[in-house]
Amino acid sequence: GQQVMQIPQYQHVQEGEDFTTYCNSSTTLSNIQWYKQRPGGHPVFLIQLVKSGEVKKQKRLTFQFGEAKKNSSLHITATQTTDVGTYFCAGRGNNDMRFGAGTRLTVKP
Amino acid sequence: GAVVSQHPSRVICKSGTSVKIECRSLDFQATTMFWYRQFPKKSLMLMATSNEGSKATYEQGVEKDKFLINHASLTLSTLTVTSAHPEDSSFYICSASTSGLAKNIQYFGAGTRLSVL
Repeated sequence: GQQVMQIPQYQHVQEGEDFTTYCNSSTTLSNIQWYKQRPGGHPVFLIQLVKSGEVKKQKRLTFQFGEAKKNSSLHITATQTTDVGTYFCAGRGNNDMRFGAGTRLTVKP
Repeated sequence: GAVVSQHPSRVICKSGTSVKIECRSLDFQATTMFWYRQFPKKSLMLMATSNEGSKATYEQGVEKDKFLINHASLTLSTLTVTSAHPEDSSFYICSASTSGLAKNIQYFGAGTRLSVL
């Protein structure tokens, strides 16, 4: 069945450094979504990518969807302490959506 | 944005009892609702998907007689953990999605932490 792998599992950065998390699917995806879960909170939708090679930006966050629609990345420029949390990708295959394991980001002030 | 209310936020019960968790979409019609289980510092494990008025579709390995899901209306879905045991202790989160332009986007409830003694 469809699998979505996400790396790294953990990332600790100094405030101001950049951060990237990667998502890879075993099958072609119709779309991919990114969610953020703050410590003690619930996942909150960030963005959805649909087109091959699509790039979207939200302030310091840049989201990419691969040309083959099998991988995606989330890049945060100049991290801040408010970026702390776990970032999940979720890929939709033929009929269902699978979440990656998440990347837990901690930021040292 | 769309709001999903999940209740209760925390429940402690004795082994062998049943627990019902409610998930409501407050300001939109949820054509599809999802139920997840999340272990500490782990990802979301999809348990089942339910469409309003239809039987839920359970993921492999999830016992449908143990985790009863009812999606009776476009704003309410319930998950009942029957005859709960300590190994059922976990964080359960629901999410809801709608049709139209926002299709596929999942709006999550705040989750329910279940502790079975």
